[in-house]
Amino acid sequence: GENVEQHPSTLSVQEGDSAVIKCTYSDSASNYFPWYKQELGKRPQLIIDIRSNVGEKKDQRIAVTLNKTAKHFSLHITETQPEDSAVYFCAASMGAGGTSYGKLTFGQGTILTVHP
Amino acid sequence: SQTIHQWPATLVQPVGSPLSLECTVEGTSNPNLYWYRQAAGRGLQLLFYSVGIGQISSEVPQNLSASRPQDRQFILSSKKLLLSDSGFYLCAWSFPGTGTYEQYFGPGTRLTVT
Repeated sequence: GENVEQHPSTLSVQEGDSAVIKCTYSDSASNYFPWYKQELGKRPQLIIDIRSNVGEKKDQRIAVTLNKTAKHFSLHITETQPEDSAVYFCAASMGAGGTSYGKLTFGQGTILTVHP
Repeated sequence: SQTIHQWPATLVQPVGSPLSLECTVEGTSNPNLYWYRQAAGRGLQLLFYSVGIGQISSEVPQNLSASRPQDRQFILSSKKLLLSDSGFYLCAWSFPGTGTYEQYFGPGTRLTVT
C-alpha cells in the first residue's frame, strides 16, 4: 500500500519567515495530495490540495508544489504568523473512483511553531 | 452545505466496557464515510471506510468494528475496550464517485480508556 513520509517533524520559525514542509509518497498511482492543518484539540482542516495534473497551486500565503517524477510534494507558507502555529499533515490518495474509495494515507505530521 | 456531526465529544470508559461512537452527515446523499484514529496527537490511521449502507471495509485488524445502518450514519463499536483503544477518533466524509477527492473531518471524539 501507499506510504507517506513527512519531514521535518518539528519546525520553528520567526514571524515573517517562510516555512517549508516536505512529503514523499511511494505509490505512483496516487493522484491527489491534500494538506491539513490541525490546531490543538481540533479536527484537521483542509487548507490546500493539488492533483497530479498540476505542478503548483497557490492560495494567498500558502502554496503546494508537486514533483511526480520524484514522488514528492511540499507545502510552502510565506510571511508566517503566530496563528499559523499548528500541526500540519500531508496525505496521498488515488481519489474516490475505482477501488481506492478516496482513502487517504497520512504523513506523521509537522509541528510548526511561529515565534512572534 | 454539508455538515458532519460526531458524538459524544469526550468519553472515559473502563477497560473491558463496550463502546459506541456515532457519526452523521447532513446535506449530501450516499457519501463515502471513514473512521480514523489519532494517537498522541500525531498521525491519522484509517480504521474503516464505507461506500454505502451495510458496506464496511476494514483497513487494520483490531478490537473495533464499524456499521452503517443508514445512508448518512456511521457507527464505531467495540465489545470490550482495551487501554490501547484510547485516542482521538475522527469521522470523515467525501463525495462519492469518480473525480471527487476532498475529504472533510468531523469534530472528533476523544476516548480515554482507564
